[in-house]
Amino acid sequence: EAGVTQSPTHLIKTRGQQATLRCSPISGHTSVYWYQQALGLGLQFLLWYDEGEERNRGNFPPRFSGRQFPNYSSELNVNALELEDSALYLCASDSQGLGTWAYGYTFGSGTRLTVV
Amino acid sequence: AQKITQTQPGMFVQEKEAVTLDCTYDTSDQSYGLFWYKQPSSGEMIFLIYQGSYDEQNATEGRYSLNFQKARKSANLVISASQLGDSAMYFCAMREDNTGNQFYFGTGTSLTVIP
Repeated sequence: EAGVTQSPTHLIKTRGQQATLRCSPISGHTSVYWYQQALGLGLQFLLWYDEGEERNRGNFPPRFSGRQFPNYSSELNVNALELEDSALYLCASDSQGLGTWAYGYTFGSGTRLTVV
Repeated sequence: AQKITQTQPGMFVQEKEAVTLDCTYDTSDQSYGLFWYKQPSSGEMIFLIYQGSYDEQNATEGRYSLNFQKARKSANLVISASQLGDSAMYFCAMREDNTGNQFYFGTGTSLTVIP
């Protein structure tokens, strides 16, 4: 079974540009979660998508947005990039309603975004 | 208030010794779950162990055990017989039944196993 896949692995952008990060969940998982991990910090919740809809978002400005496609893959878009957006962006997936709490999330390996 | 607090930024342990990584949490929910994740330098988050708020026994998974003290709101991770491959960042996390499906993560503890 393929795990959660994220692309690209690394991304370098200039301040003010837009970045698009992609995530493919595990087959059968309908929920996708995005987290930001800035250097030396824990994971900060960004967005949760389930069945194509945004279910919850963390305390981030509107320039952080995303969407979930019919095949449950997801995109995270960051507009008007700022230097402090440099971080590891992790995607996770799980399946709702099947009592999967005990297994936690399954995370991808992340996209390391560097803004210069 | 922080939902998850990890007060040990860095820890060292001798190979083959046991080590305890501290975690305290803050919630008013009755139903919640506590998790530990390992993050090696590659960046991937690896799920280690889970403890449900209604579980009466401490969770164990191989060399990992979770010392759950509900009244003190602590969920410490114990790693027995440390191995060099255990060197990594360790994150404690919580999921509450009433606040959606997001996880709240602590700031992590960097564990270094010394040969």
